[in-house]
Amino acid sequence: KNEVEQSPQNLTAQEEEFITINCSYSVGISALHWLQQHPGGGIVSLFMLSSGKKKHGRLIATINIQEKHSSLHITASHPSDSAVYICAVSKYGGSQGNLIFGKGTKLSVKP
Amino acid sequence: NAGVTQTPKFRILKIGQSMTLQCTQDMNHNYMYWYRQDPGMGLKLIYYSVGAGITDKGEVPNGYNVSRSTTEDFPLRLELAAPSQTSVYFCASTLNFLGTDTQYFGPGTRLTVL
Repeated sequence: KNEVEQSPQNLTAQEEEFITINCSYSVGISALHWLQQHPGGGIVSLFMLSSGKKKHGRLIATINIQEKHSSLHITASHPSDSAVYICAVSKYGGSQGNLIFGKGTKLSVKP
Repeated sequence: NAGVTQTPKFRILKIGQSMTLQCTQDMNHNYMYWYRQDPGMGLKLIYYSVGAGITDKGEVPNGYNVSRSTTEDFPLRLELAAPSQTSVYFCASTLNFLGTDTQYFGPGTRLTVL
């Protein structure tokens, strides 16, 4: 079983819809990361969080440490949000600093 | 700052050929990583380095080698290319070992082995 699971795998939405992507993990973590990978392939960091909630523009990330679950929300979605969204975690007690990745959620926002 | 740069962007190799994927970062990060991304799979760690002169294996190191002679550079070497190494390779760097700092990724190298 993967240590980081995302759902859904694929998501198609209409412009302006509210979108939620979920991430569950099975290990103790020091932080959870949400990343965005655009069709061109580059990967950028959106959020890093270890508790609570963070907001940046139309994107909101939440985490529930007790339930080992995080969500990424996109409000008023736009075609430019079409990308693969990747959840990744840093294992607690690790000394390498590397991330363990989910398989990603492919989002397509239609105009 | 250029961040993390990788070359080349694309490469086609024949089975048995060798090549080096280059990675450079200008953020003075000690921690650097090579990941590979296969279709439908999460990124997997190939090798990592915690500083100049120090490297170690990740989850999928077979068929690869690395070196880290400077803080800035972390090249990945494929000695005898095999079709199973067809993938997209990402180099990344970060500031601390706890994983509580942003990871910065290079643009990726798409490698095909025929």
